[in-house]
This record gives sequence, C-alpha cells and structure tokens, in this order.
Amino acid sequence: GAVVSQHPSWVICKSGTSVKIECRSLDFQATTMFWYRQFPKQSLMLMATSNEGSKATYEQGVEKDKFLINHASLTLSTLTVTSAHPEDSSFYICSARDGGILTGELFFGEGSRLTVL
Amino acid sequence: AQSVTQLGSHVSVSEGALVLLRCNYSSSVPPYLFWYVQYPNQGLQLLLKYTSAATLVKGINGFEAEFKKSETSFHLTKPSAHMSDAAEYFCAVSAGYNQGGKLIFGQGTELSVKP
Repeated sequence: GAVVSQHPSWVICKSGTSVKIECRSLDFQATTMFWYRQFPKQSLMLMATSNEGSKATYEQGVEKDKFLINHASLTLSTLTVTSAHPEDSSFYICSARDGGILTGELFFGEGSRLTVL
Repeated sequence: AQSVTQLGSHVSVSEGALVLLRCNYSSSVPPYLFWYVQYPNQGLQLLLKYTSAATLVKGINGFEAEFKKSETSFHLTKPSAHMSDAAEYFCAVSAGYNQGGKLIFGQGTELSVKP
C-alpha cells in the first residue's frame, strides 16, 4: 500500500524557535496533503490542505503565519511551526491522497510529537 | 456539510468477546466512510472503507463494518476481541472531492480489552 513518512518523529525545541516537519509520500505522487493536529485523548483537527504548487488552504482559526506549509513537489510537504510556544506542543500528523485513487482514502504518516519548552 | 459522531468515548470488552464500536454520519452527498485505528504515539492505519459498493465491508485484523443508509450508521464490529485490538478507533467521512477530499473525523473511541 501507499506509504507516507514523517520526520522527525519527536522534536523538542526552545520557545521562540522554529521547527520544520517533513511529510513524504514514498511510493506515490501526492497532489494533495493534509496536516492534522491532535491533542492528548482527542480527535484529529484538520489544520490545512496542502496542494502541490499552490498555497495551502487553512481551516478557520488556524494561523497561517504561525503554521507555514509548503508543498513544493508531488512527494514532499513541510509544516513549519514558527516562533514556537509551549501551547504549540502537540502531535502533528500528515496525510496524503494518491491522486490516482478516486475513493477519498488518505494515507497517514507516523506523526511528529512536538514539545516546546 | 459532513459530520461523524462516535457513540462512546471508551469501550471495554473481555478478550474473546464481541467488539462493537458505533459511528453515525451526516452527509449531504453519498458518503465515503472509513474506520482508522491509532496505537499510542503513532499515525493512523486504515481498517476498512466504504465507497458505495458492498454495504458490508471487511477490513484487516478481522474487523468489518456495515453501511446502513436508513440509519446513517457505519458501526465497526469484530466477533472476537484480541488483546492487540486495544487502541483508539476513529470513524471518518470524506468531505468529497469538491472540498479537496479531506476527511472529517469522529471524536474517537478508545477500546480496552480485558484478559
């Protein structure tokens, strides 16, 4: 099946620094990728939809300047948390849709746990 | 707009017992429905999906789900629970290609399996 890989799995940073999380589709081309955020014991909250070669579409309430998304190629999307603060600590999960599969199925990365000190 | 409601944030069963996780959906278009499983500190793994073909869908690890349009339900079942089934389960509905194919998730149900 389709594989989506995220890196890093764990990251700890100081408050005020920026952190980049990469999401790669390993064996398919992903025209669209999605970034989710998950708090402990809660569901996934969609942050933004990332389309290759165009600007990301952010969900209501998500700060575009805080969470920068870049989808420069068909296999890579990045999420940069800028000027991170402790409240940004969370589990971030990316997912991708294989453009050739018309069923809406998404493949998920392993997730990246961000801890901001 | 599409939405999903999972009844019961926590379900506990004994090993070997029937597993039933409930999911009801709301969709203005014929839905694509999914069940995903999440183990601690991991991403989501697809268990099964309904895409307007057979209403009884069989997935991995012995799970299956039945799409019932009249009840707007897509409950997940497994005849005999195994200890390794303990995890968080999410039901999701696709928002459709006109909304970029994003998935709308339910609140999740934590399944515990007692020995």
